[in-house]
Amino acid sequence: DSGVTQTPKHLITATGQRVTLRCSPRSGDLSVYWYQQSLDQGLQFLIHYYNGEERAKGNILERFSAQQFPDLHSELNLSSLELGDSALYFCASSVGSGGNYGYTFGSGTRLTVV
Amino acid sequence: DAKTTQPTSMDCAEGRAANLPCNHSTISGNEYVYWYRQIHSQGPQYIIHGLKNNETNEMASLIITEDRKSSTLILPHATLRDTAVYYCIVRMGSNYKLTFGKGTLLTVNP
Repeated sequence: DSGVTQTPKHLITATGQRVTLRCSPRSGDLSVYWYQQSLDQGLQFLIHYYNGEERAKGNILERFSAQQFPDLHSELNLSSLELGDSALYFCASSVGSGGNYGYTFGSGTRLTVV
Repeated sequence: DAKTTQPTSMDCAEGRAANLPCNHSTISGNEYVYWYRQIHSQGPQYIIHGLKNNETNEMASLIITEDRKSSTLILPHATLRDTAVYYCIVRMGSNYKLTFGKGTLLTVNP
């Protein structure tokens, strides 16, 4: 157990639907990062939050949004889902907002869009 | 962040040392070298990182050349559970983002 909790572990939904993925960071970590891993794209950075504030955006689609709450957990919202959104979604956390830190990743949410 | 080059795949016998190379010839002075690994479909796992000096922890050793243009991750006694994709990442300390390449698939054989 890495200390980063992601729920649900698996999610199957239909095209056009909306889903919410949840991440609880490791205790004491203020930063949360979201990554998407599909078969053909590898691990892609989506977005970074630090202590409730958005700090950096990567290749995140406009149909996707995220937020980090006061208790530091984060949610990734995916809407108008397409078949191509099927992927593993990982959350990671770290103590700081960059710098000399390693990230701790959760075990991921496997999203299947049918 | 500087680009890295890794072999696509490597094999290693169980119990032997696994030496995974990484080339980062365009690295700048304030960029760190990080190593992560991903065991099939699990979340990536942090292994080790360094700036200039060689580093060692309970998982591995990191050897960075004096000119910092390349590095080697060493797993001293590889086990079957070390079979994974290993990612070498170069990142500035002020950059929040980890950029993953394709990594090296290390297969540890019995």
